[in-house]
Amino acid sequence: DQQVKQNSPSLSVQEGRISILNCDYTNSMFDYFLWYKKYPAEGPTFLISISSIKDKNEDGRFTVFLNKSAKHLSLHIVPSQPGDSAVYFCAASAEDSNYQLIWGAGTKLIIKP
Amino acid sequence: GAVVSQHPSWVICKSGTSVKIECRSLDFQATTMFWYRQFPKQSLMLMATSNEGSKATYEQGVEKDKFLINHASLTLSTLTVTSAHPEDSSFYICSPGGWETQETQYFGPGTRLLVL
Repeated sequence: DQQVKQNSPSLSVQEGRISILNCDYTNSMFDYFLWYKKYPAEGPTFLISISSIKDKNEDGRFTVFLNKSAKHLSLHIVPSQPGDSAVYFCAASAEDSNYQLIWGAGTKLIIKP
Repeated sequence: GAVVSQHPSWVICKSGTSVKIECRSLDFQATTMFWYRQFPKQSLMLMATSNEGSKATYEQGVEKDKFLINHASLTLSTLTVTSAHPEDSSFYICSPGGWETQETQYFGPGTRLLVL
């Protein structure tokens, strides 16, 4: 049973526009959510995170929104740049699981010129 | 952020040989080490979790005798793929954990293994 789901395998966005990546989860015990970016043949790079006590966290071009009632979070990138083309992973963790990350399947973001 | 290194970054070996991958956390003490594997077009899959000085806990379906994990110190963990076969070809990534990383997980750059 997938506890963290990213239902869009890929997303194509025009450069300069907003990219919205979605993530759903099922485990209500998750108390921390993270977004990672991964280029081919490299390890994931941490982007932004959000605690379950918040509903929004912003860092430069990246904003993560959390809707606990819907068990849904999203990553907004604006404006999208060519270097944003990568695979984005949503991950969740819970204190009672030693913060082990539970990963989504990833969404490949393609920024078109 | 924390600095994590892996060595080697990539390795090609013959089927039947063993390959050791080192993971070092350079600027904090990793009491826990998570080892992940990623196949093409798939998400990272947790293979095992080790705590410094104790035996690793393996995820279901991961052979502990094939993937030997040693976490002898707070800054070094090793993963040895024994008697590697072509199906073991993958991208292996370590991720140290400790009280400094409770809110953010850091990852090594990964090791690409190709078994011929």
